[in-house]
Amino acid sequence: DSGVTQTPKHLITATGQRVTLRCSPRSGDLSVYWYQQSLDQGLQFLIQYYNGEERAKGNILERFSAQQFPDLHSELNLSSLELGDSALYFCASSPWGLAGNNEQYFGPGTRLTVT
Amino acid sequence: GESVGLHLPTLSVQEGDNSIINCAYSNSASDYFIWYKQESGKGPQFIIDIRSNMDKRQGQRVTVLLNKTVKHLSLQIAATQPGDSAVYFCAEQDSGNQFYFGTGTSLTVIP
Repeated sequence: DSGVTQTPKHLITATGQRVTLRCSPRSGDLSVYWYQQSLDQGLQFLIQYYNGEERAKGNILERFSAQQFPDLHSELNLSSLELGDSALYFCASSPWGLAGNNEQYFGPGTRLTVT
Repeated sequence: GESVGLHLPTLSVQEGDNSIINCAYSNSASDYFIWYKQESGKGPQFIIDIRSNMDKRQGQRVTVLLNKTVKHLSLQIAATQPGDSAVYFCAEQDSGNQFYFGTGTSLTVIP
């Protein structure tokens, strides 16, 4: 158990809908990262927040957004869902926001299925 | 975008043998590299990391080698055990905090 929690574990929704994935980082970790893992794209970095502020942005679509709240939990919002958004979404946390030597602890993931 | 590629998508080794998993990266500006292990149904788990100012780092039964000249990273697992069976990913981080992951190598340990 990494100490990172994600809810829900599974989510099934229809195209065009909007969903929110939630992540609680390990106690004391200030950074939260979001990743998408699909069969054809592998593990893709989406976005990082550090202490409530966006720190780095990867391959995140404009239909997707995230935020980190004062209690450091984070939410990933996915809107206008398409079939291709079906994937595992992982959240990870780490103590720091600076590049390098920044071991990340991954949550168990949320499996999103868009029908 | 950046590409981090693995040479072999699958690898089978006999229990007790050493395993070597290779990874090529393309961004010469990357300064931090990580190996992750992902077991079925679980999130990736950190194994070992290395900064670009090093060429070798050892952990418990694992060694990471970095060759910046040819932009190559390898993970060596000594005395491979059945519990090591998993998918292994290499990842690189650039100075802008961007992370790029390889597609993964599936390691199967044969008892």
